[in-house]
Amino acid sequence: DSGVTQTPKHLITATGQRVTLRCSPRSGDLSVYWYQQSLDQGLQFLIQYYNGEERAKGNILERFSAQQFPDLHSELNLSSLELGDSALYFCASSAILGPNEAYGYTFGSGTRLTVV
Amino acid sequence: GESVGLHLPTLSVQEGDNSIINCAYSNSASDYFIWYKQESGKGPQFIIDIRSNMDKRQGQRVTVLLNKTVKHLSLQIAATQPGDSAVYFCAEKEAGTALIFGKGTTLSVSS
Repeated sequence: DSGVTQTPKHLITATGQRVTLRCSPRSGDLSVYWYQQSLDQGLQFLIQYYNGEERAKGNILERFSAQQFPDLHSELNLSSLELGDSALYFCASSAILGPNEAYGYTFGSGTRLTVV
Repeated sequence: GESVGLHLPTLSVQEGDNSIINCAYSNSASDYFIWYKQESGKGPQFIIDIRSNMDKRQGQRVTVLLNKTVKHLSLQIAATQPGDSAVYFCAEKEAGTALIFGKGTTLSVSS
């Protein structure tokens, strides 16, 4: 157990629908990162939050959004789903941001999203 | 945007052999590099990291080498075991940005 918890583990939904993926970071970690991993692909960075605020954006579609709540858990919202959104979605957390940033990310076990 | 890539998508070795997995990166501003291992159905697991002010770092059975001149990173696994079979990713990071991953190398270890 990495300490990063993602739910649900599996999700099957139809095109056009909206889903929410949830991530609880490791205790004490303030930064949360979301990554998408498609079949035979590497991990694509989507978005980062630090202590409730958005810090960086990667290749995140406008149909996708995220937020981090006061208790530091994060949710990734995917809307108007398309077949191509089927992928593994990983959340990672790290301790602090800044000069003493702990660069090593701890990953959760992911949510496998299947859009049919 | 710049990204990290791996030289070979697959690598097959015999149990007990030493494995070398290579990675080329393109962002000269990256100052931190990590190797991750991902087993089927699991999230990436940290193996070893190295900062740009170092050329080599050793862990338990693993060594990471960094050649900044040619922007090359390698992971050496000594005495490879069947449990080492997984997909290996290198990732790079520039200060203030998120980790950027390459596509991965699948290591298969046969006994």
